[in-house]
Amino acid sequence: DTVVTQSPDSLAVSPGERATINCKPSQNVLYSANNRNYLAWYQQKPRQPPKLLIYWASTRESGVPDRFSGSGSGTDFTLTISNLQAEDVAIYYCQQYFTSPPTFGGGTKVEIK
Amino acid sequence: QVQLQESGPGLVKPSETLSLTCTVSGGSLSPYFWSWIRQSPGKGLEWIGYVFHSGSTKYNPSFQSRVTISLDTSKKQLSLNMTSVTAADTAIYYCARRITYLDVWGKGTTVTVSS
Repeated sequence: DTVVTQSPDSLAVSPGERATINCKPSQNVLYSANNRNYLAWYQQKPRQPPKLLIYWASTRESGVPDRFSGSGSGTDFTLTISNLQAEDVAIYYCQQYFTSPPTFGGGTKVEIK
Repeated sequence: QVQLQESGPGLVKPSETLSLTCTVSGGSLSPYFWSWIRQSPGKGLEWIGYVFHSGSTKYNPSFQSRVTISLDTSKKQLSLNMTSVTAADTAIYYCARRITYLDVWGKGTTVTVSS
């Protein structure tokens, strides 16, 4: 299975500042035939299911605020939350869907400083 | 918009079979894949398997030998059966749409394995 490693495990950011979360799949998730990275990001708040934020590494899901952005390629990816708001407190997960089975990172907890 | 709702017993005895149902409302089963995922403190998020709207299935090898996923198109329900459960199968079980990025999730149902 492709192991997905996230860092840091947690971070505290002041309101209005930027939060950066890293994700490293153990195998390349870029499919050269279509130049797409098979990676998604989710937000999970307490007692809720994960919510899709980003897919194809950088495509924002409909309705997701533009302060959330995804970048990277191959085996190195980043989720950036610009202008952090109180409602962004959550655990964030990345997931690769290039190899089967799809696998998730261990999560990054984002808190307000 | 499409909504998913999991249902099933919250408590299952060790060695017995866990059976869950996910009801799809507000949208069509076709042309999507439908996945089961679970979340536990020990193992995080794990993809269990999927069923295609045609009925074909694929399972995570970690669960292959004891999981069956099926689809009842007339009821718009997908089902998960997991045999020979142990305490390690205690988790929140979710159904979700797709097998690539998972764009719609149910609220999840908590299953505890205990005698």
